[in-house]
Amino acid sequence: ETGVTQSPTHLIKTRGQQVTLRCSSQSGHNTVSWYQQALGQGPQFIFQYYREEENGRGNFPPRFSGLQFPNYSSELNVNALELDDSALYLCASSRDSGANVLTFGAGSRLTVL
Amino acid sequence: KNEVEQSPQNLTAQEGEFITINCSYSVGISALHWLQQHPGGGIVSLFMLSSGKKKHGRLIATINIQEKHSSLHITASHPRDSAVYICAVLLKTGANNLFFGTGTRLTVIP
Repeated sequence: ETGVTQSPTHLIKTRGQQVTLRCSSQSGHNTVSWYQQALGQGPQFIFQYYREEENGRGNFPPRFSGLQFPNYSSELNVNALELDDSALYLCASSRDSGANVLTFGAGSRLTVL
Repeated sequence: KNEVEQSPQNLTAQEGEFITINCSYSVGISALHWLQQHPGGGIVSLFMLSSGKKKHGRLIATINIQEKHSSLHITASHPRDSAVYICAVLLKTGANNLFFGTGTRLTVIP
């Protein structure tokens, strides 16, 4: 049973650029949730995808968007990057949308210069 | 005000000590998670609780729904327990997302 894999692990972008982060969910899981963790803070919920549809969204602007594919892997896209977008982006998969049993990926650390 | 408050923010202990980390929340929840985050970012789910108590090895988690409070205990602490411990709650109503505390940074000294 494979866990959650995120890529890339680290990346550096400049202000105004766009970034795509990827997450492969654990086998048997159909729900992926994305979180942003700024340095020294707890993670903040960005959005959740359940069976390829957005199933809840946190307080993030529309330039944060996502996709979930038929194999339940997911992408997080951020347009028009800002310095404050620098953070660790975590994804977590679960068997359903209730988030009762979560498996987290190791995260993608984004630095915006 | 954060929906989830943890204490202490930082904790240093000698190897072998008994450790308690506390989590209080202000909203109705359907479940509470204790998570462990090591340097570099990876998060491991330790427990998911909706009532009572759970034990896994040297780790014990308890929750009091009436008092809106949970504790994570580590017995016979070891340097490898050094990590950030995060409490996260799943709300009873609303979107199926977790609200996280800011974490407790634990350092266990040999």
